[in-house]
Amino acid sequence: DIQMTQSPSSLSASVGDRVTITCRASQSISSYLNWYQQKPGKAPKLLIYAASSLQSGVPSRFSGSGSGTDFTLTISSLQPEDFATYYCQQSYSTLRITFGQGTRLEIK
Amino acid sequence: QVQLVESGGGLVKPGGSLRLSCAASGFTFSDYYMSWIRQAPGKGLEWVSYISSSGSTIYYADSVKGRFTISRDNAKNSLYLQMNSLRAEDTAVYYCARRTFGRSGSYYGYWGQGTLVTVSS
Repeated sequence: DIQMTQSPSSLSASVGDRVTITCRASQSISSYLNWYQQKPGKAPKLLIYAASSLQSGVPSRFSGSGSGTDFTLTISSLQPEDFATYYCQQSYSTLRITFGQGTRLEIK
Repeated sequence: QVQLVESGGGLVKPGGSLRLSCAASGFTFSDYYMSWIRQAPGKGLEWVSYISSSGSTIYYADSVKGRFTISRDNAKNSLYLQMNSLRAEDTAVYYCARRTFGRSGSYYGYWGQGTLVTVSS
């Protein structure tokens, strides 16, 4: 299986900060990488697909980049509603879809 | 609008069985691959299984292979997960999710609200 490793596992930041979360794949996955946001007690929400494409309705302060094995999710200016857990997910291996372990973004 | 509504979760003893359902609406269900994804309490997301739009292609995670069966009824716009020989480690919230294929792979754009399965004696 392709292993997805996110860093950091948790992060404290303030409203207005620029935040970057990293996701590394155990092998090249081209641009087959998606990002999700999950708030407590809620289902995950798709933010970014194909590494850098913004899902419809998602604020433009969210952006994604990368290809191959290294990817980043950037929030340009944190808003109160952005404090949540973020997951990356690879779809390169269609038979074995895998997620990163998650990055918990907390208020400083 | 797209809606996915899971049901069927609950408390079951180890070795027992449970059948989850997911009712879909707001889109042409028969056009889409569907998946089950679970999340153990306080843990991350784990893909469980997917089924093609026609039901002809099915895959499972190794952790559930031989115990779980995914199926769908396109006439009823419904997805199912039959779970047998349940173990404590199957305790999780189970989500159904719609899989969309794009230029670079696939993604889950729509998720249900989840249904909690607890396996405990």
